[in-house]
Amino acid sequence: DTEVTQTPKHLVMGMTNKKSLKCEQHMGHRAMYWYKQKAKKPPELMFVYSYEKLSINESVPSRFSPECPNSSLLNLHLHALQPEDSALYLCASSQVPTTQSGHEKLFFGSGTQLSVL
Amino acid sequence: AQSVSQHNHHVILSEAASLELGCNYSYGGTVNLFWYVQYPGQHLQLLLKYFSGDPLVKGIKGFEAEFIKSKFSFNLRKPSVQWSDTAEYFCAVNAGGGFKTIFGAGTRLFVKA
Repeated sequence: DTEVTQTPKHLVMGMTNKKSLKCEQHMGHRAMYWYKQKAKKPPELMFVYSYEKLSINESVPSRFSPECPNSSLLNLHLHALQPEDSALYLCASSQVPTTQSGHEKLFFGSGTQLSVL
Repeated sequence: AQSVSQHNHHVILSEAASLELGCNYSYGGTVNLFWYVQYPGQHLQLLLKYFSGDPLVKGIKGFEAEFIKSKFSFNLRKPSVQWSDTAEYFCAVNAGGGFKTIFGAGTRLFVKA
């Protein structure tokens, strides 16, 4: 199984709603990532978890709250979002980098297309 | 801060034409370099990767890329494109072997049958 599964595929929410995005992988990867991709732009890193601990937060606003409950799951909790947060949210996973192999390739999910009204 | 530049945002080719997509990065230390591809309606997937060793890297579907350290470049090539190569191509750089991979703006390739 080389898939990263994201749910839901589409989400529409109001600015006062609370919602969560989910991501799951069963490849034994211990690094998991959230990226944000606006239309016609490259993916931008938001968060990285390594061994279920938050390793990188790219100065993301607190209305985005990540969670890694176990080695297979990654969540992104959303609260009080703004219309400019509308984007494709991508989850990815990889092996943890080593000095021998460097950074391993990222396996991406298909993303959640989020619209904030 | 590291950055990645892709020179062409849109490329249109006829089948059997040769392809070269430019990618330059800014980072002075050890880098891992990647090309990812996103076919219409599909998720991002790896085409090829450079970590160390032979600077000419071969990937899937006949693609290759050459790492030229002195030029901070990692250009993607394919001798003869097919209609099925229509996709968006992203160059990506990971500096120092950590978790942070930075993507270029992407190049949309359209191959005319």
